[in-house]
Amino acid sequence: NAGVMQNPRHLVRRRGQEARLRCSPMKGHSHVYWYRQLPEEGLKFMVYLQKENIIDESGMPKERFSAEFPKEGPSILRIQQVVRGDSAAYFCASSPEGLSYGYTFGSGTRLTVV
Amino acid sequence: KNEVEQSPQNLTAQEGEFITINCSYSVGISALHWLQQHPGGGIVSLFMLSSGKKKHGRLIATINIQEKHSSLHITASHPRDSAVYICAALFHTGNQFYFGTGTSLTVIP
Repeated sequence: NAGVMQNPRHLVRRRGQEARLRCSPMKGHSHVYWYRQLPEEGLKFMVYLQKENIIDESGMPKERFSAEFPKEGPSILRIQQVVRGDSAAYFCASSPEGLSYGYTFGSGTRLTVV
Repeated sequence: KNEVEQSPQNLTAQEGEFITINCSYSVGISALHWLQQHPGGGIVSLFMLSSGKKKHGRLIATINIQEKHSSLHITASHPRDSAVYICAALFHTGNQFYFGTGTSLTVIP
């Protein structure tokens, strides 16, 4: 049973390009959480999704960022028209029924915008 | 407002020393979690606490609900303990973690 798989591990994008980050939850986990860790800062919540639904997106920037978790396939965090300030490590975590019931983090995607 | 504060921000210790990392939070948590992050690596859950004390090997985590405070202790520290330790609070009001800023621990042989 593989853990939470995030890919790519490292992603380099030029300013203005799009970045797509993927998160495949553990088998049997239907809850996915995305977090961002800016350089020299702590982790911050971005969005919480269940299959085909966004439950809480209160941590998502209002523009350029979107997330989805389709019925089939991984959860995708999409950043349009990236800027240097988007450079960060993006982590996802998955859980079977919500964070109180256990969770597993992925290894993260390190996005660098040049 | 849901807040989590962690101290110290950086900590250097000699191998074998006893280490304490502190975390305080605002009211209304359902659980307090301690996480470990190695440089360039992923994040691992160490403990989940809602009361009392838990121990795993050389790691001990305690929580005082009345004082809204939790501590992570490492006994007989070792260089392989070098990592960032993060406390994360789960509040009754939501489905998300609120994180402390992390403590970067370096244990010198």
